Amino acid sequence: AQSVTQPDIHITVSEGASLELRCNYSYGATPYLFWYVQSPGQGLQLLLKYFSGDTLVQGIKGFEAEFKRSQSSFNLRKPSVHWSDAAEYFCAVEPFNAGNMLTFGGGTRLMVKP
Amino acid sequence: EPEVTQTPSHQVTQMGQEVILRCVPISNHLYFYWYRQILGQKVEFLVSFYNNEISEKSEIFDDQFSVERPDGSNFTLKIRSTKLEDSAMYFCASSRGLAGSYEQYFGPGTRLTVT
Repeated sequence: AQSVTQPDIHITVSEGASLELRCNYSYGATPYLFWYVQSPGQGLQLLLKYFSGDTLVQGIKGFEAEFKRSQSSFNLRKPSVHWSDAAEYFCAVEPFNAGNMLTFGGGTRLMVKP
Repeated sequence: EPEVTQTPSHQVTQMGQEVILRCVPISNHLYFYWYRQILGQKVEFLVSFYNNEISEKSEIFDDQFSVERPDGSNFTLKIRSTKLEDSAMYFCASSRGLAGSYEQYFGPGTRLTVT
């Protein structure tokens, strides 16, 4: 069955430390891939997206993500986390040529220690 | 920067009542969407809308749900007879073109509580 998995429900990192949030998908063909962030009381904000081409994509707020076809993964990274990065992060996919609906992972809640 | 707005931010209703959730998409966008997130669960796609028609809908979007673009700016989701399990955060989104090539911009959500 098609699915998006974010294995880590909660992650806590110290401010200034590096961050990697995992996302794995299960689809027949490579879908379009997205990372969204949701701060408390806010909507979902797009951090970055992958359609094709360079497998390392840069996004806003210093985030980047790497698409690895062999691992069906699209992990989100940031070299140095700021306290304001505390939020919930969602990986999402849109199957190629299969409609314009996004399928979301379960989310990872990031806490940042001072 | 243009943004998607939603009203109300919180709606409380009794089981069996009709509710209408309102959204104002970004003005030059052509595709509109509703998603929902039940507390503690994933964000789930409900429906997409283009050219005054539903273009895609999920299994969740049954006959109790309907969408409408009553004028040039609003996009509404109606739940005809609410059930307890309809309690969720409902997100509206819009995009300039088909998602995949064009990103979806999300509103802040309406929290619906059915009692």
